[in-house]
Amino acid sequence: AQSVTQLDSQVPVFEEAPVELRCNYSSSVSVYLFWYVQYPNQGLQLLLKYLSGSTLVKGINGFEAEFNKSQTSFHLRKPSVHISDTAEYFCAVSDSGGGADGLTFGKGTHLIIQP
Amino acid sequence: KAGVTQTPRYLIKTRGQQVTLSCSPISGHRSVSWYQQTPGQGLQFLFEYFSETQRNKGNFPGRFSGRQFSNSRSEMNVSTLELGDSALYLCASSLDRGGPGNEQFFGPGTRLTVL
Repeated sequence: AQSVTQLDSQVPVFEEAPVELRCNYSSSVSVYLFWYVQYPNQGLQLLLKYLSGSTLVKGINGFEAEFNKSQTSFHLRKPSVHISDTAEYFCAVSDSGGGADGLTFGKGTHLIIQP
Repeated sequence: KAGVTQTPRYLIKTRGQQVTLSCSPISGHRSVSWYQQTPGQGLQFLFEYFSETQRNKGNFPGRFSGRQFSNSRSEMNVSTLELGDSALYLCASSLDRGGPGNEQFFGPGTRLTVL
């Protein structure tokens, strides 16, 4: 069985400051890792994904994440946040490429951007 | 290309009733997954359909069921509604089942309130 832990339920950050949202996972098999963003009253949008290869993954809206196998982590980072980044962020894991057997999600981190 | 659409967007029911939610995937997508999102439990996988067959099911009681039609549209049904079924129900579609890079695209969700 897989599990995902997002260590912070809320992260307040000032506008234009850097941010890191933490994600740790546990799994007995090789995994694929994802970060999704959810804006109010909307569905989830994929920010980035790690399937294989380079451990540093770049996504949309200036976000990036680094896969660290030894620490079983997949932290999301952005060097300079904007008000429009205020949203809920979900880390997810799958052992089948994200399609067949369902994604296991973390509880989410609410990113709050302060002006 | 139109995204994933879900109908209705909002629904209010009373305990004991049943409800049917509908999801139309992106054109050409054959896999449809359903998720339940609540403040307490977060995002949880309900089931996944591919080519009209349920391929995987999450840990939900038998009151939760679904089906997929030949045009890949999917419905989920919840019978004998309970207060705890109040949630945002998200549908996601993907091109194919399994394999790396199999990104799921999410709809806006149906907000179900059980009174």
